[in-house]
Amino acid sequence: DGGITQSPKYLFRKEGQNVTLSCEQNLNHDAMYWYRQDPGQGLRLIYYSQIVNDFQKGDIAEGYSVSREKKESFPLTVTSAQKNPTAFYLCASSIIGGRSETQYFGPGTRLLVL
Amino acid sequence: KQEVTQIPAALSVPEGENLVLNCSFTDSAIYNLQWFRQDPGKGLTSLLLIQSSQREQTSGRLNASLDKSSGRSTLYIAASQPGDSATYLCAVLNAGGTSYGKLTFGQGTILTVHP
Repeated sequence: DGGITQSPKYLFRKEGQNVTLSCEQNLNHDAMYWYRQDPGQGLRLIYYSQIVNDFQKGDIAEGYSVSREKKESFPLTVTSAQKNPTAFYLCASSIIGGRSETQYFGPGTRLLVL
Repeated sequence: KQEVTQIPAALSVPEGENLVLNCSFTDSAIYNLQWFRQDPGKGLTSLLLIQSSQREQTSGRLNASLDKSSGRSTLYIAASQPGDSATYLCAVLNAGGTSYGKLTFGQGTILTVHP
């Protein structure tokens, strides 16, 4: 089955700890994205990548880091610098370009602070 | 900067009713507008995509319209069912400005259809 997987489903972070959220896709998409969703709000873009070994900051990149060593994988690290990390994190992927471009989403990871 | 607004924030209707969800955007430089569905604690599922040159798209009981010049879209759901209960999100794919090539989302409408 083609799709996007995220793990873990729930993640708990202690004060001062860095945690990494996994995102894998087997859709052969070039572009991958990380979004943050807070209650009652839409999705906000954290980072995105259109090609291996390259990525760009989104609207709320502070306190987060990413890597794109493989086309299929785009992990997100929530660093200790992110002071309010509690949120639902969604990964997405898409082909690049075209007026019919849409994004395919993973099931999400909920991050909670202990 | 593109801003997307959805009205109402929440809607509760009895089963069988027809309903309309509204979405407005501030910058008409878009490639397309998309409607997504999100079930509680889940990811997003694409429902309908309308390209900027199109006026509407239909899928089953769903019909979405786009008026790019006025910056508005509506999602019409016919004969609503309890299984339609979810959050509906509108998003535009930007064709200009600082958000070029990126999706901007509205905050969503929480729909509850009760039996």
